[in-house]
Amino acid sequence: GQNIDQPTEMTATEGAIVQINCTYQTSGFNGLFWYQQHAGEAPTFLSYNVLDGLEEKGRFSSFLSRSKGYSYLLLKELQMKDSASYLCAVKKAGTALIFGKGTTLSVSS
Amino acid sequence: GAGVSQSPRYKVAKRGQDVALRCDPISGHVSLFWYQQALGQGPEFLTYFQNEAQLDKSGLPSDRFFAERPEGSVSTLKIQRTQQEDSAVYLCASSSTGTGTSPLHFGNGTRLTVT
Repeated sequence: GQNIDQPTEMTATEGAIVQINCTYQTSGFNGLFWYQQHAGEAPTFLSYNVLDGLEEKGRFSSFLSRSKGYSYLLLKELQMKDSASYLCAVKKAGTALIFGKGTTLSVSS
Repeated sequence: GAGVSQSPRYKVAKRGQDVALRCDPISGHVSLFWYQQALGQGPEFLTYFQNEAQLDKSGLPSDRFFAERPEGSVSTLKIQRTQQEDSAVYLCASSSTGTGTSPLHFGNGTRLTVT
């Protein structure tokens, strides 16, 4: 199997930077995804990392270290609309995407 | 439509009833996935299709759960003799390739409540 761990909840203020960590244990690793899910809505794709390093996409960046089984999602210039659940998901070759339990981020003014 | 469509949006069933949940994936998408999401949890994998072939059903919690995609497009998830523990949001997702490294596009889900 595979274990995916991420913090349950985080809080931050508007304009700040927040880092959401994800650690995983799996064999046959084939990439890591981050999804955003607002309450009552569908998860939406944020980023995909398969090689080590940082992928930057606007205010959001995602980092991967395969040797450490570690990823983080970095959100800059936080806005109220960033309040949501952030899901880390690991792809293993030949299987479907497996999700962590999600991190609920609350952004306050 | 442009996205993944699921129906019904909400379903209330009495314990013991059978239910059928429908998913219309994005046109041309090869892969289709069903996930179950309990309140405050991440999506839990149920089953996966590549075209009409069900390649993985290891996540189905019991033999009361059955999924099909007979023509490689629309899929139906059927739950027989529903139990209270089946109450959850059922998410369908599709992706354009069969390798699983392209992003999943999710529908808004069907919220099932078993009373």
